[in-house]
Amino acid sequence: EAGVAQSPRYKIIEKRQSVAFWCNPISGHATLYWYQQILGQGPKLLIQFQNNGVVDDSQLPKDRFSAERLKGVDSTLKIQPAKLEDSAVYLCASSPGTPGVPWNFGPGTRLTVT
Amino acid sequence: SQQGEEDPQALSIQEGENATMNCSYKTSINNLQWYRQNSGRGLVHLILIRSNEREKHSGRLRVTLDTSKKSSSLLITASRAADTASYFCATDGSGGGADGLTFGKGTHLIIQP
Repeated sequence: EAGVAQSPRYKIIEKRQSVAFWCNPISGHATLYWYQQILGQGPKLLIQFQNNGVVDDSQLPKDRFSAERLKGVDSTLKIQPAKLEDSAVYLCASSPGTPGVPWNFGPGTRLTVT
Repeated sequence: SQQGEEDPQALSIQEGENATMNCSYKTSINNLQWYRQNSGRGLVHLILIRSNEREKHSGRLRVTLDTSKKSSSLLITASRAADTASYFCATDGSGGGADGLTFGKGTHLIIQP
């Protein structure tokens, strides 16, 4: 089966600019997650969707980050305006939502804010 | 906040030796998972151990779980250069499958040829 797809793979922007990332989960996976991974650290959950509804966005900096999952399939994560500290890899993952079933992660989008 | 803490943060061994990484966590869990991440790549699932299991094997991997100590270990036997990567433990909280995975900071493993 096809894995989780993400685009772009790399993005370089200047601070205060906007950027958007796209994720296409594995077909049939109800749950989708966005993680932020700063260099040298473990991934940190930003937002979790169940179908097209938000389950948890408690760690999403809502003043600048937004995310949506239209029709319960693809998802976009947007940053507006970007700050230097947003430089990180943004990982998308999907799962069937069943406890104990491993997740599938995409290759990530590496964002550099200059 | 990060639930798991891997130890050591970095490990360098010779090819063919065994590598052991440890993970400690803070709250009750449904299961604990180990992931590998090669430089600049996404996370690859290695093994999942449920809270009622104590040990699990997959190829050259052996994972143990001690829920009384809230700790887990990952053993890679007969290491290979291709095992060079960062390894993360992630916990799935007892709130059920709808909870996000909480990751530790990872152990960076270097296998020297």
